[in-house]
Amino acid sequence: EAEVAQSPRYKITEKSQAVAFWCDPISGHATLYWYRQILGQGPELLVQFQDESVVDDSQLPKDRFSAERLKGVDSTLKIQPAELGDSAMYLCASSLQQSGTDTQYFGPGTRLTVL
Amino acid sequence: GDSVTQMEGPVTLSEEAFLTINCTYTATGYPSLFWYVQYPGEGLQLLLKATKADDKGSNKGFEATYRKETTSFHLEKGSVQVSDSAVYFCALRDSSYKLIFGSGTRLLVRP
Repeated sequence: EAEVAQSPRYKITEKSQAVAFWCDPISGHATLYWYRQILGQGPELLVQFQDESVVDDSQLPKDRFSAERLKGVDSTLKIQPAELGDSAMYLCASSLQQSGTDTQYFGPGTRLTVL
Repeated sequence: GDSVTQMEGPVTLSEEAFLTINCTYTATGYPSLFWYVQYPGEGLQLLLKATKADDKGSNKGFEATYRKETTSFHLEKGSVQVSDSAVYFCALRDSSYKLIFGSGTRLLVRP
């Protein structure tokens, strides 16, 4: 069964350092999502791509976060500089198309700890 | 804006007990509704979904019915197992196709 791949699974960094997370969606999935899940809460959308284009980044803290999906396949989420409040699980999801009936499939996530 | 409210956990049950996890939503229009499950250290897995009023989603013994009149999508299972211990998230898909999640309900099933 095809899965969404993410790496690394765990990342520990010090504040003010740069970190990057990678996501490889299910083959053929045009839509890719990055969510942030703070401990004890539900995931919240950071950015949504349709192919290589950003569809929604209204909740992305653009002063320190950036995301790209250059060839419309895999994606990278970067934080620079990291802050203590960025400690969370970062989840990537993909769906076949941006439609009302499509299911989003989630990867295992990257757990970030900022010291 | 759109939102989802879930009952707070943890919910602690004995094996074979009946499970209900309440979920209500606020949304414009008629969103699709979902239940996702998250096992420790893992990402989210889709458990079931319903796309219109009165639809019943079901999977692995879990069920939930889309109730437009009460804006609810409660999760039920007739007989829980220890392996069902996890965090359960109710979610809706808004008009821009993004998922809006509740805060999650932790279920602990004891043998």
